[in-house]
Amino acid sequence: QVHLQESGPGLVTPSETLSLTCAVSGASINSYYWSWIRQSPGGGLEWIGYIYSLGSTTYNPSLESRVTLSLDTSKNQCSLRLTSVTAADTAVYYCARESRFRLLDWGQGTLVTVSS
Amino acid sequence: DIQMTQSPSSLSASAGDRVTITCRASETISTYLNWYQQTPGKAPRLLIHDASSLHSGVPSRFSGRGSGTDFMLTISTLQPEDFATYYCQQSYKTPRTFGQGTKVDI
Repeated sequence: QVHLQESGPGLVTPSETLSLTCAVSGASINSYYWSWIRQSPGGGLEWIGYIYSLGSTTYNPSLESRVTLSLDTSKNQCSLRLTSVTAADTAVYYCARESRFRLLDWGQGTLVTVSS
Repeated sequence: DIQMTQSPSSLSASAGDRVTITCRASETISTYLNWYQQTPGKAPRLLIHDASSLHSGVPSRFSGRGSGTDFMLTISTLQPEDFATYYCQQSYKTPRTFGQGTKVDI
């Protein structure tokens, strides 16, 4: 059984960098596509991007200039960095495992609020 | 980006009802269409993949159909635990995109 757990600060100051980690158990981080998705307070789901194949990435063009995904194979985890955050980046952030074009497993999500 | 449009945005139903939700893609996506269920405070969970394949462990009262641009999710006999929000998602291209959701409540 695959388990994903997001962690990171729940409060980020505007213009600063949001950093989150997703710890994975039950699957190798070297396999599959590891996605990040966020859900705004209004409810919509937005795909941020994914990382795969030992570090290849694909980002949503709407966020590409500000986002970086990375892998830490020694810890079996993946990470998200989002720079220059604004209140519009306030959301629940999920990591998820994509396999065969479907999001099979999701973390519980972590709420990040951007506020001074 | 491929736009995914669900209808209705919300619906009221009773246990035992048959419920149908539609999802339309702005361009053809073959059968690269998934359905997810989300209950309050929880992450979405996969119900249907490849437009019509039931994910492991999902009750058979859920079914999906469609291809190209038009898709449907049907719950044949609504159960109390099915009151939730349902999202479609295309995985034909990146960026992956979701419908705006359909809330099913009493």
